[in-house]
Amino acid sequence: AQTVTQSQPEMSVQEAETVTLSCTYDTSENNYYLFWYKQPPSRQMILVIRQEAYKQQNATENRFSVNFQKAAKSFSLKISDSQLGDTAMYFCAFRGNNNNDMRFGAGTRLTVKP
Amino acid sequence: EAQVTQNPRYLITVTGKKLTVTCSQNMNHEYMSWYRQDPGLGLRQIYYSMNVEVTDKGDVPEGYKVSRKEKRNFPLILESPSPNQTSLYFCASSLQRASYEQYFGPGTRLTVT
Repeated sequence: AQTVTQSQPEMSVQEAETVTLSCTYDTSENNYYLFWYKQPPSRQMILVIRQEAYKQQNATENRFSVNFQKAAKSFSLKISDSQLGDTAMYFCAFRGNNNNDMRFGAGTRLTVKP
Repeated sequence: EAQVTQNPRYLITVTGKKLTVTCSQNMNHEYMSWYRQDPGLGLRQIYYSMNVEVTDKGDVPEGYKVSRKEKRNFPLILESPSPNQTSLYFCASSLQRASYEQYFGPGTRLTVT
């Protein structure tokens, strides 16, 4: 079964600086999809970024980018120019191509300090 | 507006009193799923449904039931709730393919005393 590990329960960063959140996963599949979701205090789950495993190019969405290392099964999220509104729980998630269940990591609580 | 709705948003109940949390989506998604979120454990899948009348167990199905009689609705049923089912519950939906993101409802905070 696939597992997703986020080894940093909590992190903090100064406003305008850059922070990287780590995520590793375990799978025997070759084709799959990886996601980062943000959960602000409102509890709403918001998609931040998505990566297809067959694409070598790292996904980027404005200030958010990923470092996808397929061989190492690593999928880290980099937030540049951190803003106070980035304060949230961040979940890494894996979705296999062979089935449709989605596996989540335990989450990283990020605090952006003014 | 495309959305997933859940009701109720908050519920406090007592052990053994049957309850249903409703979930509805207006995006014509085939795939729907229920998760529970607990501190330090992230989101864990309870049940999912690939389409009408097709449901499968996730990682933590014990104590829960679901049904998918209509494409838009996917209720979660707790026949005899227990305190260990106190949690934050999310319903989600997506198109069938795994590449598509899941859209989440606003969550239901359930407390079982």
